[in-house]
Amino acid sequence: GAGVSQSPRYKVAKRGQDVALRCDPISGHVSLFWYQQALGQGPEFLTYFQNEAQLDKSGLPSDRFFAERPEGSVSTLKIQRTQQEDSAVYLCASRTGTSNEKLFFGSGTQLSVL
Amino acid sequence: GNSVTQMEGPVTLSEEAFLTINCTYTATGYPSLFWYVQYPGEGLQLLLKATKADDKGSNKGFEATYRKETTSFHLEKGSVQVSDSAVYFCALSKNDYKLSFGAGTTVTVRA
Repeated sequence: GAGVSQSPRYKVAKRGQDVALRCDPISGHVSLFWYQQALGQGPEFLTYFQNEAQLDKSGLPSDRFFAERPEGSVSTLKIQRTQQEDSAVYLCASRTGTSNEKLFFGSGTQLSVL
Repeated sequence: GNSVTQMEGPVTLSEEAFLTINCTYTATGYPSLFWYVQYPGEGLQLLLKATKADDKGSNKGFEATYRKETTSFHLEKGSVQVSDSAVYFCALSKNDYKLSFGAGTTVTVRA
């Protein structure tokens, strides 16, 4: 498809489990972003990649959160030892240039930690 | 830090009614301001933007004016349609990559 693709669409995890969320950006998009959206809230910035370089990870809530983009295309957000407060929709976005005007969001992965 | 406060919803309107969603921001300097929209089952998408004071962003009949003196960026549409039913997010950016979003306002338009 032509858009940003995220998988899985839904993920249910038991507390303490590790999860991995995948993002396939639009082909050729240099920049990739992860946001966390809690229920009833707006998205909160987590991290930003330019190609394979992670330029800003200041939004990651704790060292249980880790993101990578080893070949500058697909990205994975990993959450270790999940907690209930990690329950949220995780959004991925990508763009080709430097303008937020050209930012494209995926539909997100809804994570529920029981 | 940078933050955005927007009108709480949900908002329910009849078709052809006037829509206003209030948005105010806190930031140093001159951030860029945005309205994003999320239609049911779809990803967030940019609706309109303004990059400096007194700029007016417009798209699909929606308008918002960057008001530095009141630190506001209110969204308006003169005549809404059922297809405008969505969640609307006000956002700001101080650099070229990090967006700070408001909590979102759910708008439902009845036929």
